[in-house]
Amino acid sequence: GAVVSQHPSWVICKSGTSVKIECRSLDFQATTMFWYRQFPKQSLMLMATSNEGSKATYEQGVEKDKFLINHASLTLSTLTVTSAHPEDSSFYICSALGTVGNQPQHFGDGTRLSIL
Amino acid sequence: GNSVTQMEGPVTLSEEAFLTINCTYTATGYPSLFWYVQYPGEGLQLLLKATKADDKGSNKGFEATYRKETTSFHLEKGSVQVSDSAVYFCALSGEGGSQGNLIFGKGTKLSVKP
Repeated sequence: GAVVSQHPSWVICKSGTSVKIECRSLDFQATTMFWYRQFPKQSLMLMATSNEGSKATYEQGVEKDKFLINHASLTLSTLTVTSAHPEDSSFYICSALGTVGNQPQHFGDGTRLSIL
Repeated sequence: GNSVTQMEGPVTLSEEAFLTINCTYTATGYPSLFWYVQYPGEGLQLLLKATKADDKGSNKGFEATYRKETTSFHLEKGSVQVSDSAVYFCALSGEGGSQGNLIFGKGTKLSVKP
C-alpha cells in the first residue's frame, strides 16, 4: 500500500536552532501534502496545506515565517521550524494526497520535536 | 462550520468486550466520514470510511455506518483485543470522498486489558 515516510522521527535541540522535517511519499505522487500539529492528548490541528510547485496555504493563527513549508517535488515536502523555542515542542505529522481522485490521505509516522 | 464530536475517553475494556465509540458531526452538504487509528508513537492510519448515507465502512472487525438522519458515524467492534489499544479519531471531509480538508474529532483513547 501507499507509504509516507517522515524523518526524523524524534529530534531534540536547543532553543534558537532551526529544525527541518521531511515528508516523502514513497510509492505515489502527492500533489498535496498536509502538515498537522498534535498536542499531548489532543487532536490533530491542521497547520498548512502544501501543493507541489506553489506556496503553502496556512491556517489561521499559524505563523508562516515560523513554519516554512517547501513542496518542491511530487514526492517531497519539508517543514522547517525556524528559531525553535520550547513552546514549539510538539508532535508534527504530515500526510500526502495522491493524484488519483477519491484516495485517502496517507499519514507519516510523525516527528516528536523537543526544544530544550 | 463543519465539526466532529466524539466521546471522551479514556475507554477501558476487557479483552473480548464489545466496543462502541460515538461520533457525531455537523456539516453542510454530504461529507465523507472516516475513522483513523493512532498507535502509540505513530502517525494515523485509515481504519475505515463511508462516503454516502447508509454506507457501512468495515475493516479488521471494526464497523461504522453513515447515519445522515442522526448525523452519526459510531465505531463498533464485537470483540476487542489487547492489540486494539490505541487512540481513535473520527473525521470528516468534503463530498464525494475528496480529502482536501480533514476535520478531526478530539480522539478517544482505548485501552484493552487482558
